[in-house]
Amino acid sequence: GNSVTQMEGPVTLSEEAFLTINCTYTATGYPSLFWYVQYPGEGLQLLLKATKADDKGSNKGFEATYRKETTSFHLEKGSVQVSDSAVYFCALRGRGYSTLTFGKGTMLLVSP
Amino acid sequence: EAGVTQFPSHSVIEKGQTVTLRCDPISGHDNLYWYRRVMGKEIKFLLHFVKESKQDESGMPNNRFLAERTGGTYSTLKVQPAELEDSGVYFCASSQGTANTEAFFGQGTRLTVV
Repeated sequence: GNSVTQMEGPVTLSEEAFLTINCTYTATGYPSLFWYVQYPGEGLQLLLKATKADDKGSNKGFEATYRKETTSFHLEKGSVQVSDSAVYFCALRGRGYSTLTFGKGTMLLVSP
Repeated sequence: EAGVTQFPSHSVIEKGQTVTLRCDPISGHDNLYWYRRVMGKEIKFLLHFVKESKQDESGMPNNRFLAERTGGTYSTLKVQPAELEDSGVYFCASSQGTANTEAFFGQGTRLTVV
């Protein structure tokens, strides 16, 4: 079946540091890949997505590239801010399906 | 436009009691999903409604969980009787149209069974 593995947290960074959160997946066929973010006290929000190999999703300074050869979708940001502190979830959706398979989530804590 | 809303935001109940969670999807969204995150684990799919019909309930853990969506609007998820392992955050999401459309999530209900 489908599965998503992402790095354990928390990830603790200083403001303006570079961020990478690793995500790898197992799936049949060619899934769509997503990063969701949950800010404190809020619901899950779609951060970015990519629907085919080599696509790059980007939003709010975050980027992730769909790497089929390594089955990865790592999240990166060049310079994090305190307001980026949140829990980040990597997820996939099988082609033709509407349900999502999530990873365990990675908490990011950014200090001033 | 209102987003997906869930009630209550928190619930603490004793083992053996009954709890009902409610989800109001975005108006006009035919698809409604329930997911659950047990502490430290993945967010896992529970079930999917299309209007009032259960499209996929393969993620429901056992028959203590009952989901309904009468009239195809809001949905309820009842846990009866609750067990300690049912503790977690229950998320609801809704979407419009086909499988490829974005699902919008609510804030979740944090359920604690003591």
